[in-house]
This record gives sequence, structure tokens and C-alpha cells, in this order.
Amino acid sequence: DAGITQSPRHKVTETGTPVTLRCHQTENHRYMYWYRQDPGHGLRLIHYSYGVKDTDKGEVSDGYSVSRSKTEDFLLTLESATSSQTSVYFCAIRGELAGGIGETQYFGPGTRLLVL
Amino acid sequence: GNSVTQMEGPVTLSEEAFLTINCTYTATGYPSLFWYVQYPGEGLQLLLKATKADDKGSNKGFEATYRKETTSFHLEKGSVQVSDSAVYFCALVTNTGFQKLVFGTGTRLLVSP
Repeated sequence: DAGITQSPRHKVTETGTPVTLRCHQTENHRYMYWYRQDPGHGLRLIHYSYGVKDTDKGEVSDGYSVSRSKTEDFLLTLESATSSQTSVYFCAIRGELAGGIGETQYFGPGTRLLVL
Repeated sequence: GNSVTQMEGPVTLSEEAFLTINCTYTATGYPSLFWYVQYPGEGLQLLLKATKADDKGSNKGFEATYRKETTSFHLEKGSVQVSDSAVYFCALVTNTGFQKLVFGTGTRLLVSP
């Protein structure tokens, strides 16, 4: 158990509304990630963070923003939700090893988001 | 770019059958390779990993060998159980930069009694 929680676990919202998803970790890991999971696509990286206030875009970042003001929290915001953002969202942390090679990512339980 | 290709599912087997799920990859450099498993309604769990050529990862009766010459990392299990029913994801991470995971599309395994 890598000590990762996500909230909310389920959310239904309407098109055009802002939505914020929270990822919380308890083990002081530096690297955190947001993915979305969709049928036929596997998991795709939205944004990632390599420290407080240090974030960067992944392959599907359009329509999403992130913030990390504390080590333990990584927030994903949909500024104006669209139906194409209906998905399951997973947060992950990277368990770091000496030498920085071959670390494993550990995933939270996911947030199921439905945009109507 | 880096990519992972998995066999399409679902794979349907009877209990105690032999399992193979194929995975091939394209990557620059020397990636580390992973298999993750997702049980219904849950997040992804690491099943096994290999960090260099010819390494064999193993866990819970599952095995996969890192084959650099064929760029493959096929998942095998000698005797599946109903409880192995899940979606299996092959993934790679390159040992450069910020080490972003690249996933295959997943293979659903259904095991019947």
C-alpha cells in the first residue's frame, strides 16, 4: 500500500462546470502523476509533478490544469468540463530507488467522472 | 516514439489452463518493463517488472522475461484461476528524463470454472 487516496471516488457533473480532483499521498514522494483511463487507450498521462510547484504536461493535457502547493497533494482541475472528459482518473506516485532507474509507479484507487 | 502493443482481448480460458498474453514494445534506449493488473472496480497494481535484458520478473505464479532481441515481454502463467480474471496492462518506462510510463491498451482475461 503506497498510501495514496483520491477524492471524490465518483462524481457526476454538467458540461461547462469546473471540477477538481484531489490526490493525497502520505509518504513524501517527490513525483506524482495524473492519468486517464479510457477503453481502447489504456492509461494516458495528463500531467505530472516533480516537486512542489513543479509540474509539466503529459500527452493529453488539453482542458486540464494541475497544482501542487504541498508535497502530499496533487490537484487536477477541469476548467470547464466536457463530455469527452468522462473517464476514470488515476493518480500515481513514483517509488524512488537509489540511482533513479527502474522505479515503480503505484496507483491510487481512481475517480470515476461522468460529465453530462 | 515509445509504444507498447498488447494482444487484443478478451482472452477466455478455463481454470487450470496455460496463459500467455503477448506484449511487444518500441523504445529508445533501454527501458524497464512492467505488467500491471486491474481487478474489477479497482486501481492498477504492479504484478511484476524487469529492468534489463534477460531479466525474469515473477509474482503470484505469473512470469515474464525481458527479451531485447524480440522486443517482447510476454506474460505467462502455468495454471490460471478464476480469481485471475482481470485486465492486464503491459507498460514501459525509459531510463531517461522524468521516466513517464507508456501503457499498452490492456488485455482482459476471463477465467471460467
